[in-house]
Amino acid sequence: GAVVSQHPSRVICKSGTSVKIECRSLDFQATTMFWYRQFPKKSLMLMATSNEGSKATYEQGVEKDKFLINHASLTLSTLTVTSAHPEDSSFYICSPQRTGITDTQYFGPGTRLTVL
Amino acid sequence: AQSVTQLDSQVPVFEEAPVELRCNYSSSVSVYLFWYVQYPNQGLQLLLKYLSGSTLVKGINGFEAEFNKSQTSFHLRKPSVHISDTAEYFCAVSDRSTDKLIFGTGTRLQVFP
Repeated sequence: GAVVSQHPSRVICKSGTSVKIECRSLDFQATTMFWYRQFPKKSLMLMATSNEGSKATYEQGVEKDKFLINHASLTLSTLTVTSAHPEDSSFYICSPQRTGITDTQYFGPGTRLTVL
Repeated sequence: AQSVTQLDSQVPVFEEAPVELRCNYSSSVSVYLFWYVQYPNQGLQLLLKYLSGSTLVKGINGFEAEFNKSQTSFHLRKPSVHISDTAEYFCAVSDRSTDKLIFGTGTRLQVFP
């Protein structure tokens, strides 16, 4: 199976600070990365899609300047929440798409962000 | 555009009883269909998927789902549940041209002893 890691698993930060979340595909290469956000007791909402070496494409309503996505390599993507506020508190999940395989997505274990 | 409807937000059931979690979708194009399970504070784990071919799909942990094109449904079933099946279950569709997953709102399966 495909192994995906996210770091940190939990983070608590003060309002106004920035937080970086790393997502790694440990045993496969991922040309495409999806980032999702999940509110408590809610479904996953796609935030953005990034391809390695290219700028991310953001879904409608997602602020690209607030949620910075970097996909610099085929095994690592980062999501940086800039100037975080309490309303950004959520569960963030990455989903790398294995290069050459388009009918299955794998998911990271998620990062719980709490902004005080 | 695609959409997914999971009508049941919660399904309580006793251990060893059968269960069905309902999922309906709408799409103007061909899609792939998925069921994922999420345990507390964890990411999503693929239970099963329908890509093409046989409409009855078997997955992990004894789950199965049947694709019904005429009813645009992809209901998840298990003949006998265990306490460990308690989790959130998400139905999802994927646009074959973009690979984006659209999720339903989830169904909380609660198995009681």
